[in-house]
Amino acid sequence: RKEVEQDPGPFNVPEGATVAFNCTYSNSASQSFFWYRQDCRKEPKLLMSVYSSGNEDGRFTAQLNRASQYISLLIRDSKLSDSATYLCVVNPTNTGFQKLVFGTGTRLLVSP
Amino acid sequence: NAGVMQNPRHLVRRRGQEARLRCSPMKGHSHVYWYRQLPEEGLKFMVYLQKENIIDESGMPKERFSAEFPKEGPSILRIQQVVRGDSAAYFCASSGGQANQPQHFGDGTRLSIL
Repeated sequence: RKEVEQDPGPFNVPEGATVAFNCTYSNSASQSFFWYRQDCRKEPKLLMSVYSSGNEDGRFTAQLNRASQYISLLIRDSKLSDSATYLCVVNPTNTGFQKLVFGTGTRLLVSP
Repeated sequence: NAGVMQNPRHLVRRRGQEARLRCSPMKGHSHVYWYRQLPEEGLKFMVYLQKENIIDESGMPKERFSAEFPKEGPSILRIQQVVRGDSAAYFCASSGGQANQPQHFGDGTRLSIL
């Protein structure tokens, strides 16, 4: 079983749609969770950290379910510019040592 | 630009040559991480360094790869006697070191082996 698993997609949605991605992780001791976005052949860019209570940043909402070991990302009112690969990222330790584990990403395509 | 700086952006080497990739962390960060992304794959951790120390190199191939982060200057990822399979994007990230702090990535170096 992979440490971090994501549906690779692609998710094809029209502009304005709401889309949700899920991610599961295998290490129950994992402490920190993030969503990154990666455009084609570019560097990963932090989208948002994921907190136990859930958090929202504009059109983006992240949720963490520790009991089921999954993380979700909800994007409302999709824009063309949201087209990218979304990476679920887990830090399996609770120390300053951040050996991040990346999922392979979920590809989103937003069409006009 | 106070972000993570990597150079070169693109590097072409012939089999058997050496590749040196450089990374300057974000201002105020002293923790550097190197990742490799093979085509159509996710990022894989290679090594974690602090100034003058290698903290964890469990993701580094046992041979030909080495990394350093000297007291002065950028972090260097060095690949000796490159082979075709080393072709990949190599990303450097930095952080302030707290467990819940995200890492910020540089633009990456695309290494192509002829």
